Amino acid sequence: NAGVTQTPKFRILKIGQSMTLQCTQDMNHNYMYWYRQDPGMGLKLIYYSVGAGITDKGEVPNGYNVSRSTTEDFPLRLELAAPSQTSVYFCASSYPELTQPQHFGDGTRLSIL
Amino acid sequence: DQQVKQNSPSLSVQEGRISILNCDYTNSMFDYFLWYKKYPAEGPTFLISISSIKDKNEDGRFTVFLNKSAKHLSLHIVPSQPGDSAVYFCAARGGSGNTGKLIFGQGTTLQVKP
Repeated sequence: NAGVTQTPKFRILKIGQSMTLQCTQDMNHNYMYWYRQDPGMGLKLIYYSVGAGITDKGEVPNGYNVSRSTTEDFPLRLELAAPSQTSVYFCASSYPELTQPQHFGDGTRLSIL
Repeated sequence: DQQVKQNSPSLSVQEGRISILNCDYTNSMFDYFLWYKKYPAEGPTFLISISSIKDKNEDGRFTVFLNKSAKHLSLHIVPSQPGDSAVYFCAARGGSGNTGKLIFGQGTTLQVKP
């Protein structure tokens, strides 16, 4: 099993450009999440989804959009990139049970210049 | 408003000794706590967890202690090994609804010296 796969691993964007960060999981997890990690900080939740067709905002959703058309995929969209969105982005997935941990991808390092 | 805090940015210990990583939280509604380990250029990996109805959970060299009255948890690693050198994140889950959302601390960088 590949687990949680994120693409691309690295990307440099210019201010105002848009892009989609891809995330796919092969564990048939219902729940999926997007986090960002800034230097010296913990992970902050951007958006999450409890199943296909259902998404909701996390702690820091501004400037981002998501969709969940299938169980496997949970792409994150940046419409107008800003320098404040320079960060490392992690996608995660889990089963719904409280005791089930989240499984993370290896991240996408994004720089906005 | 930081609901989960790891006040020590870094910790250095000698191989074979005990490593103790600490975490404090403010929200009494949290009902599940997890520790994740992160190597550079990789995603966090789950290490160990504890339910709020317990005060201790052990898995091999790793033990997590929970003190609900103090809103404090700690991760003990005994004996520490050089391969344990990584960033450790404490995370908390709970509140209204079961969405699985995690609140993370800032992380503690552990260095285990040979």
